[in-house]
Amino acid sequence: KAGVTQTPRYLIKTRGQQVTLSCSPISGHRSVSWYQQTPGQGLQFLFEYFSETQRNKGNFPGRFSGRQFSNSRSEMNVSTLELGDSALYLCASSLGGGVGYEQFFGPGTRLTVL
Amino acid sequence: TQLLEQSPQFLSIQEGENLTVYCNSSSVFSSLQWYRQEPGEGPVLLVTVVTGGEVKKLKRLTFQFGDARKDSSLHITAAQPGDTGLYLCAGGQSGYSTLTFGKGTMLLVSP
Repeated sequence: KAGVTQTPRYLIKTRGQQVTLSCSPISGHRSVSWYQQTPGQGLQFLFEYFSETQRNKGNFPGRFSGRQFSNSRSEMNVSTLELGDSALYLCASSLGGGVGYEQFFGPGTRLTVL
Repeated sequence: TQLLEQSPQFLSIQEGENLTVYCNSSSVFSSLQWYRQEPGEGPVLLVTVVTGGEVKKLKRLTFQFGDARKDSSLHITAAQPGDTGLYLCAGGQSGYSTLTFGKGTMLLVSP
């Protein structure tokens, strides 16, 4: 079956702009988590959605937001982009929320902020 | 704040050598996962360990969970170029639905 897909794969934006990233989970998976990966900080948890509800949120400013649709697809939005937002944004889906479920990661969206 | 420290940060070895990567924390985790991430891809789960002292083997890879469930190690025997990648450990705690990731160990195996 198809894996987790993320679009776009690469994105270049300038400071102050906003961006929307999309994630399509594996069919049947109801939980979607978002992570930011940078060389200095590694993978940092952004938020998790389960059945259209945000269940957990990491320690990121309010400029980072997300949502999940009824078909489990998820989007995350970053407003007023800063240079430090340049990173690989990873989406992971699982059957259920919780650490007992295996997370399957997408290939990520590489965001560069100039 | 739960932290997972991985060491070494970078490892460059020749094909056929053995290596061990460590993942340490001051926190207790109910489960510990190891992932490998290749360039341009997302992390892929290798193994999950849940019992203190547990040892799991996956071909040439051996994973161990510390008795106190605060640390873990990954040992690779006779490394091959195909083992090249970023190895990440991630800890989970009961009652939480999120994982805490270490910063990773970048492994480069040269022919």
